[in-house]
Amino acid sequence: GAVVSQHPSRVICKSGTSVKIECRSLDFQATTMFWYRQFPKQSLMLMATSNEGSKATYEQGVEKDKFLINHASLTLSTLTVTSAHPEDSSFYICSARRPYHYEQYFGPGTRLTVT
Amino acid sequence: AQTVTQSQPEMSVQEAETVTLSCTYDTSESDYYLFWYKQPPSRQMILVIRQEAYKQQNATENRFSVNFQKAAKSFSLKISDSQLGDAAMYFCAYSRSEYGNKLVFGAGTILRVKS
Repeated sequence: GAVVSQHPSRVICKSGTSVKIECRSLDFQATTMFWYRQFPKQSLMLMATSNEGSKATYEQGVEKDKFLINHASLTLSTLTVTSAHPEDSSFYICSARRPYHYEQYFGPGTRLTVT
Repeated sequence: AQTVTQSQPEMSVQEAETVTLSCTYDTSESDYYLFWYKQPPSRQMILVIRQEAYKQQNATENRFSVNFQKAAKSFSLKISDSQLGDAAMYFCAYSRSEYGNKLVFGAGTILRVKS
């Protein structure tokens, strides 16, 4: 149990366009989901915390208008990178937490390349 | 703010031998959770082991065990009988005890296993 999926696994988009990444908890309801960004051989950087039915809480330095997060249901959160630029190219990982549990279960990640 | 420090950027171990990965953290909280996550080349984050701060007994999961020293704020991971499949990036992480709280990650340690 506790499986989290992400779609797509890889995406290439042109500079100036927007791209949406989906994160789904497949076998549990996730009241809280998290979005991370990871550069090669570096740690995970938390971008935002997403609670179902409410606005996401963004970490300091993360542009809210650029990285739109929606957590419309207990099993789905989306991250939309708006007006993407090459510097947004990175590996994006989501995680989900079960109610009344402390562990986070991670998705397989999405590699975004902006050309 | 809580911080997590992993002072070993890279470690190597011979297959079947034992290796210990170090982690220290800083917090003023008395109740919290500590985790070790493994990230293999696939980049899928996998929970290896967790420790509740209020428990004095060190957590163990098969070949993986921790040495939790609360007063010293140290949380090392011991991998016994190392296998080729253990080669990965290992992250130490901290979470406050509130449900839904975020993880604070260390910088990670790359573990190489030699055959």
